[in-house]
Amino acid sequence: AQTVTQSQPEMSVQEAETVTLSCTYDTSENNYYLFWYKQPPSRQMILVIRQEAYKQQNATENRFSVNFQKAAKSFSLKISDSQLGDTAMYFCAFMKPFLFGNEKLTFGTGTRLTIIP
Amino acid sequence: DTEVTQTPKHLVMGMTNKKSLKCEQHMGHRAMYWYKQKAKKPPELMFVYSYEKLSINESVPSRFSPECPNSSLLNLHLHALQPEDSALYLCASSQAQSSGNTIYFGEGSWLTVV
Repeated sequence: AQTVTQSQPEMSVQEAETVTLSCTYDTSENNYYLFWYKQPPSRQMILVIRQEAYKQQNATENRFSVNFQKAAKSFSLKISDSQLGDTAMYFCAFMKPFLFGNEKLTFGTGTRLTIIP
Repeated sequence: DTEVTQTPKHLVMGMTNKKSLKCEQHMGHRAMYWYKQKAKKPPELMFVYSYEKLSINESVPSRFSPECPNSSLLNLHLHALQPEDSALYLCASSQAQSSGNTIYFGEGSWLTVV
């Protein structure tokens, strides 16, 4: 079974600063996918970024980037030029691939990020 | 804007009521999911439908009954629920064409059982 650990329950940062959220996971699988989702107060779970384990290159999406260290089983999220709209709960998630959509997301416990004006 | 639409946004029901949560997606996805999320906790998988067939049931009590009428629709029928079933219910979908599919979530339905 896989486990995902987010060791920072809460973080806060000034607007326009850079913040890094930590995530570690435990698995015996070699092929898997990692995700960061954000859940603002509206409660919708929004995909932030996705990383394939077989890709060495770190994924980036505009102001969001990851530092994926496969050997260390670490998957941190960096938010640059943070904005008030980034205030949300951030979940790190692990997925083992299966055919035809029979895939489960294993979530960490989340990090509540607050951007201070 | 989410392309997974859930109705109703909020539902209050008594323990003897029968109600349903509905979910719709028009992205051509062939896998659909129900997750349950309690306050301050991560979502937990309940059911997975792949190509309109129930493929995963995470030992969910029978008072929750899923239904997938077609590839775009997913329902969750609720009957004789308990107050501890009060939670946010999230519907999600993915392409299911091969493997490693990104899962997209709806806005959720808040359920309160009184």
